[in-house]
Amino acid sequence: ETGVTQTPRHLVMGMTNKKSLKCEQHLGHNAMYWYKQSAKKPLELMFVYSLEERVENNSVPSRFSPECPNSSHLFLHLHTLQPEDSALYLCASSQDRGWGQPQHFGDGTRLSIL
Amino acid sequence: EDQVTQSPEALRLQEGESSSLNCSYTVSGLRGLFWYRQDPGKGPEFLFTLYSAGEEKEKERLKATLTKKESFLHITAPKPEDSATYLCAVQGRGNTPLVFGKGTRLSVIA
Repeated sequence: ETGVTQTPRHLVMGMTNKKSLKCEQHLGHNAMYWYKQSAKKPLELMFVYSLEERVENNSVPSRFSPECPNSSHLFLHLHTLQPEDSALYLCASSQDRGWGQPQHFGDGTRLSIL
Repeated sequence: EDQVTQSPEALRLQEGESSSLNCSYTVSGLRGLFWYRQDPGKGPEFLFTLYSAGEEKEKERLKATLTKKESFLHITAPKPEDSATYLCAVQGRGNTPLVFGKGTRLSVIA
């Protein structure tokens, strides 16, 4: 398998549920990212991991909790979400953080909060 | 603060009708300008990286150019399969994150 794989592709959850999004990259990259994509808004960076260390957290609410157990896997743990959290959540990876390296994206998880 | 503005917001072309998409940017020390294509229900697909003014990259019917203030994505004789949203992003000096524009939604009609 190649590229960046995200599961599940679709997720519907209530505001009191706990769920996790999974991302796996097969590109040998050292940096991984979580983005939120909402209609008519630019991609919003949520978290950055470089060599398994979280290096950026863009004022994301604590109901989103990332985890990076190794350089190939990234998780986003969700709990007590709000309706405004409904969006497409994208994972990306790049060879290194910064230095003009392109990021490669997965196909995302479409999240709907009831 | 780094900023990216894409225009037009939406563009409708007849098959074979060439046109250009614009990406205007402000950034402190450009590390790279990136073009992506995004199809409905999919993640962005990387197309090009441009690093310095005057640089050009080509891929099939697409050609990206860069000046100190903007980038253009030229589409020559487009086909219906070129219909997608095209995203532009910039990265400034250091380890600053990518800043994305809102995209241009392109529709090519047969």
